Formats: sequence, C-alpha cells, structure tokens
Amino acid sequence: QVQLQESGPGLVKPSETLSLTCTVSGASIRSYYWSWVRQPAGKGLEWIGRIYGSGITKDNPSFKSRVTMSVDTSKNLFSLKLNSLTAADTAVYYCARDHSGYDAWGQGILVTVSS
Amino acid sequence: QSVLTQPPSVSGAPGRRVTISCTGTGSNIGAGYDVHWYQQLPGTAPKLLIYGNNNRPSGVPDRFSGSKSGTSASLAITGLQAEDEADYYCQSYDTGLSGSLFGGGTKLTVL
Repeated sequence: QVQLQESGPGLVKPSETLSLTCTVSGASIRSYYWSWVRQPAGKGLEWIGRIYGSGITKDNPSFKSRVTMSVDTSKNLFSLKLNSLTAADTAVYYCARDHSGYDAWGQGILVTVSS
Repeated sequence: QSVLTQPPSVSGAPGRRVTISCTGTGSNIGAGYDVHWYQQLPGTAPKLLIYGNNNRPSGVPDRFSGSKSGTSASLAITGLQAEDEADYYCQSYDTGLSGSLFGGGTKLTVL
C-alpha cells in the first residue's frame, strides 16, 4: 500500500520561499510520476506541477516559474519549492502519485502565508 | 476559472440517482484524454473514485460509475447514501497547460 506524507513549515512569511517534502513508502519513487496539488480554504483543487522519478519536471504555467521540484531517490522522497509567496498561496498542499489518475494522496499540510 | 466546468452543487434523496457533469474543451477531454473523478469528504484528502473515464479502483462501490462522450464526462451515483455527501472533482490532462486540470468541484447534498 502506497503512503505519502507531506512535511514542512505551517507558517511562512510573504516574499519568502516555501519548502515542502513528500516522503513515499510502499512504492519506488523512481518508477512513477509524482505531483503537488493545492487547495485554498473553501476552494477547489489546483495542480502545481509534477516530477518523474528521473527528475524530469513540468509545472503549471500559472505559477509563473515560481516552482522548483526535485527528487531524492536515496530517501524515496520528492520536494517542492515555491518562491515569492503572497497571501494567495495560503492553502492545503497535497502530494500525490500520478498513476492513472492520482491514486494515492498525502494527508495534506496547511501552509499559511502571513507576517 | 477552471476550464473543466462542473455544476457547483447537486442534491438527491437517499436511494435516488444523481449525475455530475464535467464539460471540457478540445484541448482536454475532447482531445481524447482520460477523465478521472475524486471524492473529497470534509477535512480529508481527495480519493480516487473513477479512473480512465469508467474504471473503479478496488474498494469503490459499483454505485459509482463514469462515462465520457465528446468534450464532456459524467459521474453517476445510484442508491444515494448519506455517506456520499462530499465534494466531487473531475480531472483530465490539458494540452494548453501541458499538465493536469481539475474541475471546479461539485458539492453533493443528500437530502
């Protein structure tokens, strides 16, 4: 059974960079696509980007190149960095496996952007 | 604004059938890309409900079914139960985005 767990800060200041990590168990990170999805309170889901186990990435153009993703195969985890944060980036951030739909999700981590 | 359009809300009485539509364009559903559906219960992560237009992951009751035609897809839920009350999202791939696209979500209320 695949399990994903997000970790990172719950509070980040405006203009700073958010760093989140998703640790995967039950599946090799090398063999799949992995994505980040966020959800502002009371709103819908928004795809941020995805990374393959080889490190190839694709991010949502709406984030205007603020996104960096990486993978650590030795630790079986992948990471997200989102820079130039504003209050509009306040959301629950999920990591998920992209395999015929998003078939496994982390529990989500609430990130608040505030000074 | 989502390019995949869903009704904001639908409702139905217990035991009845409801459908949730997901309307896309020629750059996503109409281009032949699969549609997936998710159920999100309050305070929880989304759960894959239907993948590849009409396939149920193991453990999903057969009360849930999906279909796709042209630039649209639908999720049907039969024999409504109180536990089905949740938000439902469709998702597909979009060539303009070169990535994943979600519908705006539909809140299902079981009356």
